[in-house]
Amino acid sequence: ETGVTQTPRHLVMGMTNKKSLKCEQHLGHNAMYWYKQSAKKPLELMFVYSLEERVENNSVPSRFSPECPNSSHLFLHLHTLQPEDSALYLCASSQEIGQTSGNTIYFGEGSWLTVV
Amino acid sequence: AQSVTQLDSHVSVSEGTPVLLRCNYSSSYSPSLFWYVQHPNKGLQLLLKYTSAATLVKGINGFEAEFKKSETSFHLTKPSAHMSDAAEYFCVVSDLTGTASKLTFGTGTRLQVTL
Repeated sequence: ETGVTQTPRHLVMGMTNKKSLKCEQHLGHNAMYWYKQSAKKPLELMFVYSLEERVENNSVPSRFSPECPNSSHLFLHLHTLQPEDSALYLCASSQEIGQTSGNTIYFGEGSWLTVV
Repeated sequence: AQSVTQLDSHVSVSEGTPVLLRCNYSSSYSPSLFWYVQHPNKGLQLLLKYTSAATLVKGINGFEAEFKKSETSFHLTKPSAHMSDAAEYFCVVSDLTGTASKLTFGTGTRLQVTL
């Protein structure tokens, strides 16, 4: 148990569906992240929220829409996805202290998404 | 720009023998470096991290890594492998994006442990 909980753990959706992935962190952190893990590719950073403001959007297609209503919750809204979007989506959080790097990022167990 | 290269995509060792997983990094400044482990169908778990303190870093489950600036390396080692060590290992370098951390991952090394 890392303190970062993701639901659902598995999701199968059609290309015309709308679904959402949910992430909740119980660590009191102030930054949250979405990463995508595809087979045979390095983990890709998708979005970063710090103090509920989006600070990074790594050229992610608009069919992925993040939402961070508060510092403990992060959503990834999915709409008209493509089969190549099938992957493991990992949520993470960290406690950022000023302008210092090296803060540990804690990951959830991921949501396996299959687009059919 | 920073980058990480994991030199082996797959390593196989016998139980009880040493483990060496190699990682080289590229960074324009003093980096923060991590090793994460991912067991099948699980998320990533932090093994250890280096943040400009002692160059030899000890982590969980008997793993350690040594930061060598002259070689730009951060190899992960363990004296004696256990079956439960079989997993995917990721070497990671950290940067800042705005006020949050940004991790750049290597492509991973799959460790197989045989009897």
